[in-house]
Amino acid sequence: GDSVTQMEGPVTLSEEAFLTINCTYTATGYPSLFWYVQYPGEGLQLLLKATKADDKGSNKGFEATYRKETTSFHLEKGSVQVSDSAVYFCALKEAGGSEKLVFGKGMKLTVNP
Amino acid sequence: DVKVTQSSRYLVKRTGEKVFLECVQDMDHENMFWYRQDPGLGLRLIYFSYDVKMKEKGDIPEGYSVSREKKERFSLILESASTNQTSMYLCASSLLVRGETQYFGPGTRLLVL
Repeated sequence: GDSVTQMEGPVTLSEEAFLTINCTYTATGYPSLFWYVQYPGEGLQLLLKATKADDKGSNKGFEATYRKETTSFHLEKGSVQVSDSAVYFCALKEAGGSEKLVFGKGMKLTVNP
Repeated sequence: DVKVTQSSRYLVKRTGEKVFLECVQDMDHENMFWYRQDPGLGLRLIYFSYDVKMKEKGDIPEGYSVSREKKERFSLILESASTNQTSMYLCASSLLVRGETQYFGPGTRLLVL
């Protein structure tokens, strides 16, 4: 079945550092890809998404590009802030009409001042 | 803004009790989902529903049942709670549209003693 593999961490960075969180997927067809973020004590929020190859999703300084050739959707941010401390989940939605999301295991990021 | 609410943020129950977790969404979404979130395992789908009175098993339905009598409300039922059901439970909803995101509630942290 479809699956998502992402860096699990935890990762600790200093403020203004560059962030990359790797995410690769296995799927048939052309899934939609998502990054969700979970701040402490809260549910998941959509951070960004891409629905077809070469699409770039972006939000709050974060970016990710849907790379079909490498089956990847890596998340990047050029300069992290303390407020970016959270758990980040990569996810895919199957292409065949199923409404299910398949999640990676999540990566906890801590950003220190 | 889409709002998904869950009946409790924290819940403590005893082994063998029947437990009801309620989820309500206010955006007329067709799909609703129940996940559990555990450290190192990410999110796992328990059940989902794509219409009133319709339900489908997710990846880990054992020990759970669901009810969807109204479009806006999706209930998760633990018929006889066990300690291995101690977890964070997340509800989500989405439109029946390809590539559409899921919107999550804040979660219910359940402790079964």
